[in-house]
Amino acid sequence: QVQLQESGPGLVKPSETLSLTCSVSGYSISSGYYWGWTRQPPGKGLEWIGSIFHSGDTYYNPSLNSRVTISLDTSKNQFSLSLSSVTAADTAVYYCARESGAPGAFYYYMDVWGKGTTVTVSS
Amino acid sequence: QSVLTQPPSASGTPGQRVTISCSGSRSNIGINTVNWYQQLPGTAPKVLIYSNDQRPSGVPDRFSGSKSGTSASLAISGLQSEDEADYYCAAWDDSLSGLVFGGGTELTVL
Repeated sequence: QVQLQESGPGLVKPSETLSLTCSVSGYSISSGYYWGWTRQPPGKGLEWIGSIFHSGDTYYNPSLNSRVTISLDTSKNQFSLSLSSVTAADTAVYYCARESGAPGAFYYYMDVWGKGTTVTVSS
Repeated sequence: QSVLTQPPSASGTPGQRVTISCSGSRSNIGINTVNWYQQLPGTAPKVLIYSNDQRPSGVPDRFSGSKSGTSASLAISGLQSEDEADYYCAAWDDSLSGLVFGGGTELTVL
């Protein structure tokens, strides 16, 4: 059974970099699938942040592209999110997820989600 | 403003059939498949429908999806109290080269 667990600081100061890690159990991330991040500001809807293929290819939300980096650590079976120059608008619950299929292919969806971690941006 | 448009709310009584719409454009729903996610209060989203009309194992057949042109719909028949949740549609957008979500629909079971 594949499980994902987010971890990282719950509080980040404005202008600093938000860094989160998603630990995967039950499946080797180097074997396949896309792995991605989605966030949800308080009381609002879902926003896709970006995804990384097991080969290292990445797709990012154009509105966040200049501030986002997603990377893999296959030795630890983890993938990570880095979001720079954060503001209060980046306060959200951040979810990691496994993505079946491929962007633009016949099927592409998040089939396994982590429980989410809350990140607050405040001084 | 979300790229995909959903009604903010929907409601029904137990046993009823309700539908939730999702409107997009050619670059997203028009040429790519649509997924639907259910988010129960305080929990992570869960996929209900993928590739327009496919149900993952474990999802009751009360839930069904369809797509026509640049719009998609989620139908829930035999509405139950446990169906109270937020529902989101999503699709890949070729113009944006990104995944886009609808703004979400809050379903209330009266």
